Amino acid sequence: EAQVTQNPRYLITVTGKKLTVTCSQNMNHEYMSWYRQDPGLGLRQIYYSMNVEVTDKGDVPEGYKVSRKEKRNFPLILESPSPNQTSLYFCASSLYGAGEKLFFGSGTQLSVL
Amino acid sequence: RKEVEQDPGPFNVPEGATVAFNCTYSNSASQSFFWYRQDCRKEPKLLMSVYSSGNEDGRFTAQLNRASQYISLLIRDSKLSDSATYLCVVNPFEGSARQLTFGSGTQLTVLP
Repeated sequence: EAQVTQNPRYLITVTGKKLTVTCSQNMNHEYMSWYRQDPGLGLRQIYYSMNVEVTDKGDVPEGYKVSRKEKRNFPLILESPSPNQTSLYFCASSLYGAGEKLFFGSGTQLSVL
Repeated sequence: RKEVEQDPGPFNVPEGATVAFNCTYSNSASQSFFWYRQDCRKEPKLLMSVYSSGNEDGRFTAQLNRASQYISLLIRDSKLSDSATYLCVVNPFEGSARQLTFGSGTQLTVLP
């Protein structure tokens, strides 16, 4: 089944404890992206990748890192999480770019205490 | 001014009703437009793209008005299963497909 797999689904952590949210797609998509969703603000892009080893900042990249060493994986890294990073996170992918149909992972609800 | 603005609602309509949402965008160079549907706390899913000439998919009709910089979504014969948040999505950059801008969504509840 074609899908974007995101893990974990829920995560509670404390300030400063490094964490990684994994994202993997099995559709051979070139484009992958991370979003956070907060009430009243809609989805905001954190980072995106047009292909392997090509990543770029979105609208809200501060406090996040990403890597794209393989086409299928695009992990999101929070080196030192803070409470303002408490949010619902979505990974998404599409064949070539953001202008095409985006396939989303099921989301990660992160709480930073 | 937000780049993409939607009335958050909620829109509460009876089953069978026709309901319409509008979404305005600020960048006149925006190239592509979409409506996504999101059920509560779940991942967004593409409902339909919006084409310049307008397009229809079953009970759903999308329109684009470039002069006034808005897109619309019309749902006819509403079903209970249409209850969701509808996200207006715009590709704001000419010649680029790197980023999209999402509206904050319009909440629809279809009542029995």
